[in-house]
Amino acid sequence: GAGVSQSPSNKVTEKGKDVELRCDPISGHTALYWYRQSLGQGLEFLIYFQGNSAPDKSGLPSDRFSAERTGGSVSTLTIQRTQQEDSAVYLCASSLALGAYGYTFGSGTRLTVV
Amino acid sequence: AQSVTQLGSHVSVSEGALVLLRCNYSSSVPPYLFWYVQYPNQGLQLLLKYTSAATLVKGINGFEAEFKKSETSFHLTKPSAHMSDAAEYFCAVSPNTGANSKLTFGKGITLSVRP
Repeated sequence: GAGVSQSPSNKVTEKGKDVELRCDPISGHTALYWYRQSLGQGLEFLIYFQGNSAPDKSGLPSDRFSAERTGGSVSTLTIQRTQQEDSAVYLCASSLALGAYGYTFGSGTRLTVV
Repeated sequence: AQSVTQLGSHVSVSEGALVLLRCNYSSSVPPYLFWYVQYPNQGLQLLLKYTSAATLVKGINGFEAEFKKSETSFHLTKPSAHMSDAAEYFCAVSPNTGANSKLTFGKGITLSVRP
């Protein structure tokens, strides 16, 4: 598609439930990133996929968080046993291989854990 | 390792006044630098980027930024603020190598524009 697409745009879940957030990057972009945006905290890096290389998972806050990217395209971020502190906006971005191109961001998924 | 510092969390200017949003970076290798804007309930949009070419970079919506290595700064400016410029602005840095293009973002600055 023309831009980065994220779904759902909003998700309300009960504490303890698992959630899946989806990201569909721009066609041809080999790099895909997940960030978390919490109020007053800026953007927190979560995970980064680049082509067929092993993902950079250094930003995942706990083992409840995982992500995969199938076929070098769509990515799913999974949060297991959600906690209230997981409430945030989850942003996905994609880019061409080199960092100089910058990112194109999706509109994000607003996750609320109640 | 790299980082960016955006001092303050909120800037307020009058419509027509100069906009100046400050960003200082720390990087162990020559960096690429970016400014992004986020309007309410939207994702981030690239305003401009510095990638080792001209030190004065012009972006969209009349914004520009100047890379100053001696000051490790990349401040964002606009000569005359419009009401539509009210948004959150993020500075970001990445190393200028293709091996790891991960961006590190500052905490962001909220710009308010008074009529």
